[in-house]
Amino acid sequence: QVQLAQSGAEMKKPGASVTVSCRASGYTFNAYYLYWVRQAPGQGLEWLGWIDPNSGRTTYAQKFKGRLTLTRDTSVSSTYMALTSLKSDDTAIYYCARARLNYGSGYHTFVPWGQGTLVTVSS
Amino acid sequence: QSALTQPRSMSGSPGQSVTISCTGTSNDVAGYDYVSWYQQHPGKVPKLIIYDVSQRPSGVPDRFSGAKSGFTASLTISGLQAEDEADYYCCSFAGSHTWVFGGGTKLTVL
Repeated sequence: QVQLAQSGAEMKKPGASVTVSCRASGYTFNAYYLYWVRQAPGQGLEWLGWIDPNSGRTTYAQKFKGRLTLTRDTSVSSTYMALTSLKSDDTAIYYCARARLNYGSGYHTFVPWGQGTLVTVSS
Repeated sequence: QSALTQPRSMSGSPGQSVTISCTGTSNDVAGYDYVSWYQQHPGKVPKLIIYDVSQRPSGVPDRFSGAKSGFTASLTISGLQAEDEADYYCCSFAGSHTWVFGGGTKLTVL
């Protein structure tokens, strides 16, 4: 079945960078858009960005432009989220998610989701 | 890209109906019929319960329904059950390959 498996928890100091990976299985990796969402402790969901695994094209939420980079490696069916200049309020669970379908309105719905990766930023 | 507006909390008794609102702008909710809703239990991954404003994925009970009017989308849960106690998030396409979530609503079943 379709699965997204994320890398393990990370602990970083302020100012550092972090990279979280998301490995896809059970479907044709290139065919479906992927998204990144985060959730700070006790807070809501926040959309971070989008990547088209086929072309590598990306878009980012405005507040993360310049600090966030999404990439993919089609040879290992994986996407990567890199966030730089970490601050304490970047402490959150970071999720990857796939588009429900690879056409039409299916681009706009996120399912399934990865299990989440906790990134803790603390001095 | 401001977050969509949801009530922070709502409550209802078993068997009752509750409707959670999600208000946006012409750049998101009002501009597209691409509103989805996610249910999240504590410590769990968000689960899709409504997509394309009013469509239910297979396996989601028909107690859950979605609608939209103008700038506001809504999620109605009929016949509340204890297991419906969770956080609920709306999400809308906002154009140019960007999406925006609501702030989330904590639903308590009394």
